[in-house]
Amino acid sequence: KAGVTQTPRYLIKTRGQQVTLSCSPISGHRSVSWYQQTPGQGLQFLFEYFSETQRNKGNFPGRFSGRQFSNSRSEMNVSTLELGDSALYLCASSLDRLGTYEQYFGPGTRLTVT
Amino acid sequence: DAKTTQPPSMDCAEGRAANLPCNHSTISGNEYVYWYRQIHSQGPQYIIHGLKNNETNEMASLIITEDRKSSTLILPHATLRDTAVYYCIVRVEVNYGQNFVFGPGTRLSVLP
Repeated sequence: KAGVTQTPRYLIKTRGQQVTLSCSPISGHRSVSWYQQTPGQGLQFLFEYFSETQRNKGNFPGRFSGRQFSNSRSEMNVSTLELGDSALYLCASSLDRLGTYEQYFGPGTRLTVT
Repeated sequence: DAKTTQPPSMDCAEGRAANLPCNHSTISGNEYVYWYRQIHSQGPQYIIHGLKNNETNEMASLIITEDRKSSTLILPHATLRDTAVYYCIVRVEVNYGQNFVFGPGTRLSVLP
């Protein structure tokens, strides 16, 4: 079974631009979560989607948004990029059923804001 | 904030067992303990999880104390490829969903 895939793997943007990152979960997985990882703050939870609805949200500004499609694929968008948004953005999917909640992570998208 | 505390770093000799401790003294009765590891700049890799019984899979064993306030991840025969940051997480159910709060983890160095 294919793992979680994320595109693109690397991205360079300039301040003020916006960016969209994509995540394809493991087939059959219904929950998709997004995390931001930086050297200073570590792994931080952004949001979780389930059945096209945002079910949980971390403590990030409204510039960070996301959505989930009917096939469980998810995108996250960051508008008005700041230098501090440079990070590894990780997507994780979970079956989220019958007690199966372990999350499987993709390789991440490395975003550099200049 | 993370509900777990772990030592920041540990060393282990190649071929020996690596025992990684984790404290989760405020864990609730229905909260699971999960372990992940992250090799440099890759996505975290799921290792194992448990509620109150000890668990074992092909990667590791998880020993949870009877009071559930702490646990130990055991890698029975550590190899150089096990060098990574290991995260102990208590899964918190929120809005019928899940929120994995990662702490700084333990940086395990397996030495030849």
